Amino acid sequence: GAVVSQHPSRVICKSGTSVKIECRSLDFQATTMFWYRQFPKQSLMLMATSNEGSKATYEQGVEKDKFLINHASLTLSTLTVTSAHPEDSSFYICSAGQGNEQYFGPGTRLTVT
Amino acid sequence: DAKTTQPPSMDCAEGRAANLPCNHSTISGNEYVYWYRQIHSQGPQYIIHGLKNNETNEMASLIITEDRKSSTLILPHATLRDTAVYYCIVRAYGGATNKLIFGTGTLLAVQP
Repeated sequence: GAVVSQHPSRVICKSGTSVKIECRSLDFQATTMFWYRQFPKQSLMLMATSNEGSKATYEQGVEKDKFLINHASLTLSTLTVTSAHPEDSSFYICSAGQGNEQYFGPGTRLTVT
Repeated sequence: DAKTTQPPSMDCAEGRAANLPCNHSTISGNEYVYWYRQIHSQGPQYIIHGLKNNETNEMASLIITEDRKSSTLILPHATLRDTAVYYCIVRAYGGATNKLIFGTGTLLAVQP
């Protein structure tokens, strides 16, 4: 089956620094990937749609200058949290589509101290 | 995307069938019903989807009412590893570019 990986699985960073999270489709190509954020005991919230070769589409209320998305190839999308603050601490999950299905990565736990 | 309504939590005894309901009374004619689950601290896992006919795969069965306003996901023999949050989502069929909007889901606790 289709496999999506994320790197790193966990990251701790200091407030004010930037953190990059990678999402890869390992055995298929994905023109579209999605980024979600999940706070404890809450559901997944869609942040943005990442389109290969073009600008990402952000959901309402998500700051595009803070959450930079790059989808430079058909197998890789990156999410950079710029100038991270403690309130950005969360579980970040990506998904990639193949056929009519979407496959999710294992998530990245970000902790900002 | 149409909204869905699910009970916040359910219990099920190990080895018994788990029946998870979902209401989607405003579903459109071109929208499918999808089920995903999320085990704690992992990414969601696809389970099954359907349009109007009942569907079955190696993981579960999906029963959709004739008016398509509700559905039930059935795990025939629940195990402890099935403890997870189960999400019912409706979205248009159209390939990998259609986004999934998650509701609050049902936390299924399988009891030994």
